[in-house]
Amino acid sequence: AQTVTQSQPEMSVQEAETVTLSCTYDTSENNYYLFWYKQPPSRQMILVIRQEAYKQQNATENRFSVNFQKAAKSFSLKISDSQLGDTAMYFCAFTLDNYGQNFVFGPGTRLSVLP
Amino acid sequence: EAGVTQFPSHSVIEKGQTVTLRCDPISGHDNLYWYRRVMGKEIKFLLHFVKESKQDESGMPNNRFLAERTGGTYSTLKVQPAELEDSGVYFCASSQDGLAGEDTQYFGPGTRLTVL
Repeated sequence: AQTVTQSQPEMSVQEAETVTLSCTYDTSENNYYLFWYKQPPSRQMILVIRQEAYKQQNATENRFSVNFQKAAKSFSLKISDSQLGDTAMYFCAFTLDNYGQNFVFGPGTRLSVLP
Repeated sequence: EAGVTQFPSHSVIEKGQTVTLRCDPISGHDNLYWYRRVMGKEIKFLLHFVKESKQDESGMPNNRFLAERTGGTYSTLKVQPAELEDSGVYFCASSQDGLAGEDTQYFGPGTRLTVL
């Protein structure tokens, strides 16, 4: 069975600084997808970024980038130039490369961006 | 375009009662997923519909939970009878094609269920 671990229950960062959220996962499969979702307070979860396991290049989306280390089964999220609106719960998630596979989520990291 | 909506946003019931949660996916999305987060733990998958059919219901905890998606539009999740351990937040998500990694699951705001 696949598992996802996020070892940092809570983190804080000063506005405009950079923060890295960690995520590790366990799977015996070779093809899979990894995601970071964020859930702002009292709002829906939204997709931040995704990474395909067979792509070596790390995904980036504006201020968000990942450091994907397949051998180490690590998938960290870096947020550059943190903004107050980045305050949210961040969930790392995993799914296999099959049709309709369900997500396996990590426990989440609560990030607070401080003014 | 409206996002995924869920009703109610909160529900407080007593142990042994029945509760029905509703999810309206984004129009045109054939795939609908139910997840739940219990007691601040990980979000766990419950089941996946493709149109009106259950594609995967491996995450349903027991037979007290019944999910339906008649007509392939909105879905309901009924808990009968509710137990204390059912308390948590129930999320619904929908996606268009259901292709892992190529499609995006859009999540609803969740229904917070409290069983007393």
